[in-house]
Amino acid sequence: GAVVSQHPSWVICKSGTSVKIECRSLDFQATTMFWYRQFPKQSLMLMATSNEGSKATYEQGVEKDKFLINHASLTLSTLTVTSAHPEDSSFYICSAQQGRTEAFFGQGTRLTVV
Amino acid sequence: DAKTTQPNSMESNEEEPVHLPCNHSTISGTDYIHWYRQLPSQGPEYVIHGLTSNVNNRMASLAIAEDRKSSTLILHRATLRDAAVYYCILRDIQGAQKLVFGQGTRLTINP
Repeated sequence: GAVVSQHPSWVICKSGTSVKIECRSLDFQATTMFWYRQFPKQSLMLMATSNEGSKATYEQGVEKDKFLINHASLTLSTLTVTSAHPEDSSFYICSAQQGRTEAFFGQGTRLTVV
Repeated sequence: DAKTTQPNSMESNEEEPVHLPCNHSTISGTDYIHWYRQLPSQGPEYVIHGLTSNVNNRMASLAIAEDRKSSTLILHRATLRDAAVYYCILRDIQGAQKLVFGQGTRLTINP
């Protein structure tokens, strides 16, 4: 299957700082990328849908000013958690797909805010 | 988004077949049935998908009921590495293409 890489795999940051997570499709052009968040023992929760060159579409209840998403190229999307707080600590996962094909997921980024 | 219903957990033995059920009684004609699985501390992994006909690949088989209101993921010979949470998801081919995850089935494989 296609490869989607996230970086970093884990990050610890201080409360009030911002953290950027990268999601790259390594061997295909991703017209659409998705960002999810997953708390312990829970399922994945979709945060936003990002199409290359367009503004992201956020799911209800997700603060777009707090979770900044950029999809500037067909192989890269970034999620920036601004002014992070301990409640933002979670497992963040991206997925990417080309057109209407199946989605491929990154390995996830574990964010811990202290 | 159309919803699916899966058992919270299932248990099976190594080298035996596993049948993971999924109910999707409100499925629409343009919904594809997708299965993903997630190992601990990893992102989900694509397993298989189908529309109407049964599907086979190297990982699993997908059996779809004639009325499409249910489906079954079949792992022909389970290994310990198949222990994961399995998600059955409907995705509208005409829609926003997003995958909305339910709670899935936690599969335990006994040695």
